[in-house]
Amino acid sequence: DAGVIQSPRHEVTEMGQEVTLRCKPISGHNSLFWYRQTMMRGLELLIYFNNNVPIDDSGMPEDRFSAKMPNASFSTLKIQPSEPRDSAVYFCASSFGQLNQPQHFGDGTRLSIL
Amino acid sequence: GESVGLHLPTLSVQEGDNSIINCAYSNSASDYFIWYKQESGKGPQFIIDIRSNMDKRQGQRVTVLLNKTVKHLSLQIAATQPGDSAVYFCAEILGANSKLTFGKGITLSVRP
Repeated sequence: DAGVIQSPRHEVTEMGQEVTLRCKPISGHNSLFWYRQTMMRGLELLIYFNNNVPIDDSGMPEDRFSAKMPNASFSTLKIQPSEPRDSAVYFCASSFGQLNQPQHFGDGTRLSIL
Repeated sequence: GESVGLHLPTLSVQEGDNSIINCAYSNSASDYFIWYKQESGKGPQFIIDIRSNMDKRQGQRVTVLLNKTVKHLSLQIAATQPGDSAVYFCAEILGANSKLTFGKGITLSVRP
């Protein structure tokens, strides 16, 4: 069975550039989550969607970050303009039902902003 | 195996021994808990979960124990194998509409 699919796996770009991360959740899952992982702060929830609607974006660090979910099978996380402190691994996860259900993670996008 | 809290970042065990990874969670009202395993270069992988109406749950080679009195969660891995080497996270959630909160993680290192 296909799990959560993220692309690209690695992204290296210069500061100021726009970065777009992509996620395809597990088919049939109706909740989607974007996380950021760093050594200093661990796993942080940025935003989550339920039935394609953003429910809580309180974890989005700044207005430079935005996320969309145009349909049940696709979501993007965009950073514009990017900064070196945005360097991290970004994970997408999906689940079925309410929040107290197991979330299944993709393998992440390792982002490096030079 | 050794029992450590999450304030110690690494647990080293001998292959074949049992491992015990401990987690002290923060919210006494949390009612759902998950253990995740994260291997290098991969995302967190669901291992096992437990709800607050249970004290123990068993999976394949893994057991999760929940002690609500002291807000303590543990993951026991039987006959630890090299493939068990990874970072392990406990996560808690309060109710059906709350966010999953992850602990800081502990590295399990299996000695051959």
